[in-house]
Amino acid sequence: AQSVSQHNHHVILSEAASLELGCNYSYGGTVNLFWYVQYPGQHLQLLLKYFSGDPLVKGIKGFEAEFIKSKFSFNLRKPSVQWSDTAEYFCAVTSTGGGNKLTFGTGTQLKVEL
Amino acid sequence: DAGVIQSPRHEVTEMGQEVTLRCKPISGHNSLFWYRQTMMRGLELLIYFNNNVPIDDSGMPEDRFSAKMPNASFSTLKIQPSEPRDSAVYFCASSFESNQPQHFGDGTRLSIL
Repeated sequence: AQSVSQHNHHVILSEAASLELGCNYSYGGTVNLFWYVQYPGQHLQLLLKYFSGDPLVKGIKGFEAEFIKSKFSFNLRKPSVQWSDTAEYFCAVTSTGGGNKLTFGTGTQLKVEL
Repeated sequence: DAGVIQSPRHEVTEMGQEVTLRCKPISGHNSLFWYRQTMMRGLELLIYFNNNVPIDDSGMPEDRFSAKMPNASFSTLKIQPSEPRDSAVYFCASSFESNQPQHFGDGTRLSIL
């Protein structure tokens, strides 16, 4: 069965620190990969997506993610976080082997302190 | 450019009552999804439709839950009878196709007393 793992459930960083959130998946077939962000009290918004091509994907607000096929990973990074990045971050995957259904990870709660 | 529209935004009702949540997807989107989000279980996919047809309802917790999509611009999620453990935020999302980026509504915060 298709699954997505986010190993960091809670992350606390100081402003200007670098961020890397892990995401690993199991799949059968071709994958599409996504990172969503949910700010407090709001709905999920798309941060970035990977379908094909350059495995290093740049998204909004300075975020980027790298697809490493051999490691089944799609980690999210940001060189310098801001207080406004405090939110919950969800990795998600669709795959042809999973019936093209979007499967979400359990989320990582990021808190950025001033 | 209207996004996914959900109603109501908040609902508080007593257990045993019927609850109906509504969703209007983005025009032109073929796929519609219902999710439930709680602290304990995170974000769960309940059911999704493609071209108004239910494709996967394996996430629907039990027979008390039902979902319909009578046309391309409207879907409902119904809980009858409701129970306190159904309290959660319910999100509707839509996309061009089921494997494309999903656009989420603002959610319905449901509290069953």
